[in-house]
Amino acid sequence: AQSVTQLDSQVPVFEEAPVELRCNYSSSVSVYLFWYVQYPNQGLQLLLKYLSGSTLVKGINGFEAEFNKSQTSFHLRKPSVHISDTAEYFCAVSLNTGTASKLTFGTGTRLQVTL
Amino acid sequence: GAVVSQHPSRVICKSGTSVKIECRSLDFQATTMFWYRQFPKQSLMLMATSNEGSKATYEQGVEKDKFLINHASLTLSTLTVTSAHPEDSSFYICSARPRDYGYTFGSGTRLTVV
Repeated sequence: AQSVTQLDSQVPVFEEAPVELRCNYSSSVSVYLFWYVQYPNQGLQLLLKYLSGSTLVKGINGFEAEFNKSQTSFHLRKPSVHISDTAEYFCAVSLNTGTASKLTFGTGTRLQVTL
Repeated sequence: GAVVSQHPSRVICKSGTSVKIECRSLDFQATTMFWYRQFPKQSLMLMATSNEGSKATYEQGVEKDKFLINHASLTLSTLTVTSAHPEDSSFYICSARPRDYGYTFGSGTRLTVV
C-alpha cells in the first residue's frame, strides 16, 4: 500500500519570501503525485500533478514541484508567497491513472503567510 | 471543465434523523466517485468508493449501514448519514476523477448534528 508523509504540520513564512512544503511518499510501485490546496470550509483545488515526463511540474498560482524518484519526494515550492496563499496544503498519491484509482492523502501542511 | 457540485454546503440536523448529501459531476460522466470525511485540522480520510450501478466499496472501519451510498446515474452519487449522532458531525467531501485530469473535489458539506 502507498503512503504519504508531510513532515511539517505548520509552516510560517513572511510575505514575498520563498517557501518549500515537503512531501515524501512510500510505494512499491510507480505512483502518481498531486498537490492540493484547501481554503477554510471549502473543497480541494488541484495545484499540480505529476503523471509522467518532466520531473519539474509547474502548477497554478506560481507553485511548482519536483518529483525525485531516488528520494521518493515531491516537494512543493513557491519563490515568493502572498498573504492569499495562506491555506492548508495536501500532498496525495495514487497508484495509477484509472478513474477508479484511490487517492491517499498526507496529513497536510498549514501555510501561514504574514506581513 | 470537470466540475463536481456538492449540496448542501451546510446542514444542521437533530440527533436520530437522517441527512442526504448529493454529489454531481456537471460536465463529465463519473462511473466512480469517492466520499471523504475530514475532521477539524486533519486530513481527508476515504470512507467509500461509489460505483455507478453497483454497490459501494467501503473502507475498513466505515459502517455501511450508517453511511448509505447510492450511485444511480453517471452524474450523481448520494451519501446518506442515517440516524445521525453528534459524533457524525464532520466535513464530508466527494470527489471524482475525469479522464486526463487530476481528481476533482466538491466544495464539501459541513454536517452538524445537535
